Amino acid sequence: AQSVTQLGSHVSVSEGALVLLRCNYSSSVPPYLFWYVQYPNQGLQLLLKYTTGATLVKGINGFEAEFKKSETSFHLTKPSAHMSDAAEYFCAVSSWGAQKLVFGQGTRLTINP
Amino acid sequence: EAGVAQSPRYKIIEKRQSVAFWCNPISGHATLYWYQQILGQGPKLLIQFQNNGVVDDSQLPKDRFSAERLKGVDSTLKIQPAKLEDSAVYLCASSPRDRTGGANVLTFGAGSRLTVL
Repeated sequence: AQSVTQLGSHVSVSEGALVLLRCNYSSSVPPYLFWYVQYPNQGLQLLLKYTTGATLVKGINGFEAEFKKSETSFHLTKPSAHMSDAAEYFCAVSSWGAQKLVFGQGTRLTINP
Repeated sequence: EAGVAQSPRYKIIEKRQSVAFWCNPISGHATLYWYQQILGQGPKLLIQFQNNGVVDDSQLPKDRFSAERLKGVDSTLKIQPAKLEDSAVYLCASSPRDRTGGANVLTFGAGSRLTVL
């Protein structure tokens, strides 16, 4: 079975500061990894995904994530936070043939002016 | 392209009543998912359809929840009778026919928020 653990249900950073949201996964097979963002009263929107190949993945809005197999991690980063980044972020895992996403519990990101 | 449409956006019912949610996926998307998102938790898959066939309903509480996708397009999710613990946002998502072995990107609707009193 696959699972995802997001460390920290709530992260708060200042505008312009580094954003780091942590995600660790468990999978017995090579994983596909995703980050989704959810703004208030909206559905989830894909930020980025890793399937195979380059382990550093760039997504929308300046976000990126690095797949580290040895650490079973897929942490999400952004060099400089904007107020518009305030939202809930979800890490998710799938795998070849699995056809479904398993989500972590989410991390709420707050940006302080 | 139009997104995933869901209705109603909000519903308040008393426990033991019934409720139905409707989803219209992106045109041409073969796979449709219903997820339950309880406050403070990540989305949990309830049921997955490929065209009008069920692929996975292992986490669907079948004594009270039912879902159908009769013509392989839109879908309804029904809860009868509702319990207090069913209060959640019900998210519908769709994706193209899976030719990537599980790396498909899901497109989500805005969700239907259910409050059971």
